[in-house]
Amino acid sequence: SQQGEEDPQALSIQEGENATMNCSYKTSINNLQWYRQNSGRGLVHLILIRSNEREKHSGRLRVTLDTSKKSSSLLITASRAADTASYFCATDAGGNNRLAFGKGNQVVVIP
Amino acid sequence: NAGVTQTPKFQVLKTGQSMTLQCAQDMNHNSMYWYRQDPGMGLRLIYYSASEGTTDKGEVPNGYNVSRLNKREFSLRLESAAPSQTSVYFCAGGARDRHSPLHFGNGTRLTVT
Repeated sequence: SQQGEEDPQALSIQEGENATMNCSYKTSINNLQWYRQNSGRGLVHLILIRSNEREKHSGRLRVTLDTSKKSSSLLITASRAADTASYFCATDAGGNNRLAFGKGNQVVVIP
Repeated sequence: NAGVTQTPKFQVLKTGQSMTLQCAQDMNHNSMYWYRQDPGMGLRLIYYSASEGTTDKGEVPNGYNVSRLNKREFSLRLESAAPSQTSVYFCAGGARDRHSPLHFGNGTRLTVT
């Protein structure tokens, strides 16, 4: 199965700064999704971008997708302490909405 | 609105013991999934159920069995637990539509000694 791979693995920033994470994948996809996980909790869906889309926004989140490079980036603008979490990308290439997850980015926002 | 509920939250087993992890959703999802999360490994799909009455293997099914009891419930069974099954287990539900997000429970933290 394909795996998304986020880069960098860990990020520490000051409140108000922007945070950028990257994800690469190996095969053709139907869509790419980003999830957030707070410590000790389940994953929460943030945003989904379809394979025919190049950029999508949701509040302070901006996602880009480059299918020619098989990569995506997640930008969180004006970060807040509450954004401290792990962020995962996931790709859906097979049927039945099965997702393959990357290893995750840990983001720490310092107040 | 509970969403996806997993029980228990924590469990300690001895090698060779068996147990069933329960998952129930009230979101009317057709599809349900079991993932395990290990440090540095991300989430890996164990089994999934595309609809009531069907189940299929995911990436790491060995040592597990599942039952889709009805549309709401999807259980994961460890028949003979091994230390390698120490992990955090997440259940998720989703629509069959490929462009729908998954909704996750808060996980079951399992330790096998």
